[in-house]
Amino acid sequence: DQQVKQNSPSLSVQEGRISILNCDYTNSMFDYFLWYKKYPAEGPTFLISISSIKDKNEDGRFTVFLNKSAKHLSLHIVPSQPGDSAVYFCAAFSGGSNYKLTFGKGTLLTVNP
Amino acid sequence: NAGVMQNPRHLVRRRGQEARLRCSPMKGHSHVYWYRQLPEEGLKFMVYLQKENIIDESGMPKERFSAEFPKEGPSILRIQQVVRGDSAAYFCASSPSGLTGELFFGEGSRLTVL
Repeated sequence: DQQVKQNSPSLSVQEGRISILNCDYTNSMFDYFLWYKKYPAEGPTFLISISSIKDKNEDGRFTVFLNKSAKHLSLHIVPSQPGDSAVYFCAAFSGGSNYKLTFGKGTLLTVNP
Repeated sequence: NAGVMQNPRHLVRRRGQEARLRCSPMKGHSHVYWYRQLPEEGLKFMVYLQKENIIDESGMPKERFSAEFPKEGPSILRIQQVVRGDSAAYFCASSPSGLTGELFFGEGSRLTVL
């Protein structure tokens, strides 16, 4: 049972355009969501997070939107840069189990120059 | 480099052998987590440890797998009598407080079982 789903295995965008990565979840107990970025042969790196009491969080070129009623979140990268090319994982946790992240399978983003 | 250090980066074992994966958390971090990533899958939680204590091992297979985080030295993930299905990337992460979910991951140890 996959509680965090990233339905697009890959996404390709042109440099300078917007990248939108999507994530759906099924567990209504999740109250904190995170995005991690992973380059090949490296560990995941924390990118941005959002609490369920918010619907938007912005950090530079990265913005995460949360739609609780739809159990959907998205990561927007504007403008996209070739260095953003990586696998992006959506993750979530609930309540006190803030170490027990549930990850999606990831989306490979390729930003073409 | 003050990041999370994992070794070995690559480990090859034959079926039935033992695998030991080591993790040194970031300086000042006392919370250690192990995650496993199977091919084409996301990372899955295995175990959460603090110094000398296993806090949550609900993600660990019941048999052959064990983890420790001694008072001195790195955290160890031990897999006994490895099978081909254990082939995966094993990631260690640490955090200073265990409060935010913002974990700092190591580069991973890739285990291949022949």
